[in-house]
Amino acid sequence: QVTLRESGPALVKPTQTLTLTCTFSGFSLSTSGMCVSWIRQPPGKALEWLARIDWDDDKYYSTSLKTRLTISKDTSKNQVVLTMTNMDPVDTATYYCARIHIWSGYTYFDYWGQGTLVTVSS
Amino acid sequence: EIVLTQSPGTLSLSPGERATLSCRASQSVSSSYLAWYQQKPGQAPRLLIYGASSRATGIPDRFSGSGSGTDFTLTISRLEPEDFAVYYCQQYGSSPPRFTFGPGTKVDIK
Repeated sequence: QVTLRESGPALVKPTQTLTLTCTFSGFSLSTSGMCVSWIRQPPGKALEWLARIDWDDDKYYSTSLKTRLTISKDTSKNQVVLTMTNMDPVDTATYYCARIHIWSGYTYFDYWGQGTLVTVSS
Repeated sequence: EIVLTQSPGTLSLSPGERATLSCRASQSVSSSYLAWYQQKPGQAPRLLIYGASSRATGIPDRFSGSGSGTDFTLTISRLEPEDFAVYYCQQYGSSPPRFTFGPGTKVDIK
């Protein structure tokens, strides 16, 4: 059974760095073909893809946010960590991690965490 | 970068009616890389359709997807009360690898 769970601070101040952790089970990021992404959703708005990390440690970022994002993994702990620097109130959103299905010729998000709401405010 | 447009923004229908949701891409998208998700308030998105027309595990057959190139459609043949939600299309571009979501279509009760 695949599960993912996001954790991190609920409130951060402007200019601070946000660190979020995705802890997952039911698969291993050391297995070929496994990938995890972060996606966010401001209140009442659409989903926005942020970053992806692959089993071989390849990393990909949203063009608009790549200078502020770092994604990493700890395979031994089954965790993926996202850091976002210089937080601003417009970054207030629910942040999701999701597993990417990238084999069998298709690519999509097949399992999602429940999300964690991060509010940026002084 | 590919932009996805969904229409209508809101669809007001009654239970039992047919819902037709549109997703249009700014340039051609591989059908293999087009997916649809359902999101209810306070919940994470749930995968409905992948590969433009394949239903995900456990998804009822009243949900169907079709389309190719730049025009894709999600159809709900007969709306059940639990189908009132927001629906997002999503595409994956491989060079460079990145994902794009549409703005969503809200299906609400008329």
